[in-house]
Amino acid sequence: GQNIDQPTEMTATEGAIVQINCTYQTSGFNGLFWYQQHAGEAPTFLSYNVLDGLEEKGRFSSFLSRSKGYSYLLLKELQMKDSASYLCAVVDSNYQLIWGAGTKLIIKP
Amino acid sequence: GAVVSQHPSWVICKSGTSVKIECRSLDFQATTMFWYRQFPKQSLMLMATSNEGSKATYEQGVEKDKFLINHASLTLSTLTVTSAHPEDSSFYICSAREGQGYYEQYFGPGTRLTVT
Repeated sequence: GQNIDQPTEMTATEGAIVQINCTYQTSGFNGLFWYQQHAGEAPTFLSYNVLDGLEEKGRFSSFLSRSKGYSYLLLKELQMKDSASYLCAVVDSNYQLIWGAGTKLIIKP
Repeated sequence: GAVVSQHPSWVICKSGTSVKIECRSLDFQATTMFWYRQFPKQSLMLMATSNEGSKATYEQGVEKDKFLINHASLTLSTLTVTSAHPEDSSFYICSAREGQGYYEQYFGPGTRLTVT
């Protein structure tokens, strides 16, 4: 079966750095997305990785290792508004998005 | 660019009635649209995938006669929850994909359905 694992919840301090990991086992791989979802709102796109390596976009970076079936989202200089759920999703061989359960990130002052 | 709208943003209906939710891609043509359901503190659950002009493909466990999906044009898909029950109360989110070569899904703002 297809499986995506992320930690359920993480807590970090304002101004700090946090890394959210995602491991996956899917039938085929056509890329990995990270989305941010605030409570009661729809997900918003953060990043897309299809090749190994680190993609940096402002305070957010996303890393992918296809051989290890592993990705992480790195958030720097955390702000209170970063409190949200972070969803990892993999595009499988049928170009369907397979979603992880999401990681709830709590930022404390 | 790549804006998806949903209407209504929230709706309350009585048990046994039907509710229609619209999903529109405002500035692009969506060859494929997706309907998700999300219960509180849970992840997104894909309900069905619809391609313009063809029947929707439903995920296992989703009743196609209860959740009617119509993708009549490249910019509009509708989800009708028929004979709604309180357990259908949920956050329904649509997303749209621009073409076969574009994997990113653009999400609508979601519709909060409460069935009393």
